[in-house]
Amino acid sequence: AQSVTQLGSHVSVSEGALVLLRCNYSSSVPPYLFWYVQYPNQGLQLLLKYTSAATLVKGINGFEAEFKKSETSFHLTKPSAHMSDAAEYFCAVSDLTDKLIFGTGTRLQVFP
Amino acid sequence: GAGVSQSPSNKVTEKGKDVELRCDPISGHTALYWYRQSLGQGLEFLIYFQGNSAPDKSGLPSDRFSAERTGGSVSTLTIQRTQQEDSAVYLCASSPRTSGRTDTQYFGPGTRLTVL
Repeated sequence: AQSVTQLGSHVSVSEGALVLLRCNYSSSVPPYLFWYVQYPNQGLQLLLKYTSAATLVKGINGFEAEFKKSETSFHLTKPSAHMSDAAEYFCAVSDLTDKLIFGTGTRLQVFP
Repeated sequence: GAGVSQSPSNKVTEKGKDVELRCDPISGHTALYWYRQSLGQGLEFLIYFQGNSAPDKSGLPSDRFSAERTGGSVSTLTIQRTQQEDSAVYLCASSPRTSGRTDTQYFGPGTRLTVL
């Protein structure tokens, strides 16, 4: 079975600081991993995905994530936070039947 | 091009009533998914369509929930005899299903259901 765990339901950073959102996965098959962002009252938007082509994945809005098999992790980072990054972030793994299994989400707050 | 659309955006209903939620996927996308987002349960899968058939309906919480898809396009999620615990945001997503597990799912804005 596949699952993801997001450590930290809330993360607060100052504008310009490093953003680090943690995601660990469990998968009985080679994992395919996704990060989605949800702005208030909107649907989910794909930030980036890992499909085994490269372990360091670059996404939109300056975000990137590194797949580390030894640590079963897929943490999301951004070198310098912007006020517009404030949102909820979800890590997900795709199931054998293609559906997404989501983590519980991390709400990112960015302070000026 | 147009994204995934859902209607209504908000629905308030009384306990015991039936509701229908609609999803229009991106044109040409053969796969369609319904998810539910609630405070207590997070984001959870409900049902998956490939074309008009539903090979995975394992997430439907009870037999009060049903869904159909017609013409390989529009899908309707029906909740009968609504209960207060059905209050949630219902999200629809579609994908082209060109490579299965690695496909990006594109989400609609959701329908916020409130059961009084």
